[in-house]
Amino acid sequence: NAGVTQTPKFQVLKTGQSMTLQCAQDMNHEYMSWYRQDPGMGLRLIHYSVGAGITDQGEVPNGYNVSRSTTEDFPLRLLSAAPSQTSVYFCASSYRPSGRETQYFGPGTRLLVL
Amino acid sequence: DAKTTQPNSMESNEEEPVHLPCNHSTISGTDYIHWYRQLPSQGPEYVIHGLTSNVNNRMASLAIAEDRKSSTLILHRATLRDAAVYYCILRDVETSYDKVIFGPGTSLSVIP
Repeated sequence: NAGVTQTPKFQVLKTGQSMTLQCAQDMNHEYMSWYRQDPGMGLRLIHYSVGAGITDQGEVPNGYNVSRSTTEDFPLRLLSAAPSQTSVYFCASSYRPSGRETQYFGPGTRLLVL
Repeated sequence: DAKTTQPNSMESNEEEPVHLPCNHSTISGTDYIHWYRQLPSQGPEYVIHGLTSNVNNRMASLAIAEDRKSSTLILHRATLRDAAVYYCILRDVETSYDKVIFGPGTSLSVIP
């Protein structure tokens, strides 16, 4: 198993540009989520999905869109990048959204918005 | 929402045991206690989790207080590779993860 994979590893954008951060998992997990991590801080939930076709907002959803057309993929779209979106983005998945389950994280995408 | 409180940083000597504390005074009866760690420039990785009883695995041990208002992650012999940020979080047994809060965690330094 490759686990949770994310692409790209690093990206530089100009203010106003759009882009999609890719996330895929090969563990047949129902639950997937996106977090952002700013320097010296913990992780904040952006969006999450409990299955294909089902998504919901987390703590900091503004400026981001998601969709879940397959179980494996959960892309995060930045509609019009802003410097405040400079951060490290992590995708995560687990079999179910339950405290009994382990959550698996991807290696992260480092985004710099100029 | 149930939150956790951890010290900002801790130090340990290599090959000595490390006890990382976590307070969660508002824990509910259906909250599992999870520990994750994040090595430099990597994504968080699972360490251990438990509900009421102490737990052991190949990485660490989790000691849970009888009233469940605190817990301690125990690394039995710290190595340089254990230098990381350790997060203690609570996950309800059935609720989705939208209520989970990842705080700043405890930054563990291991001294050779």
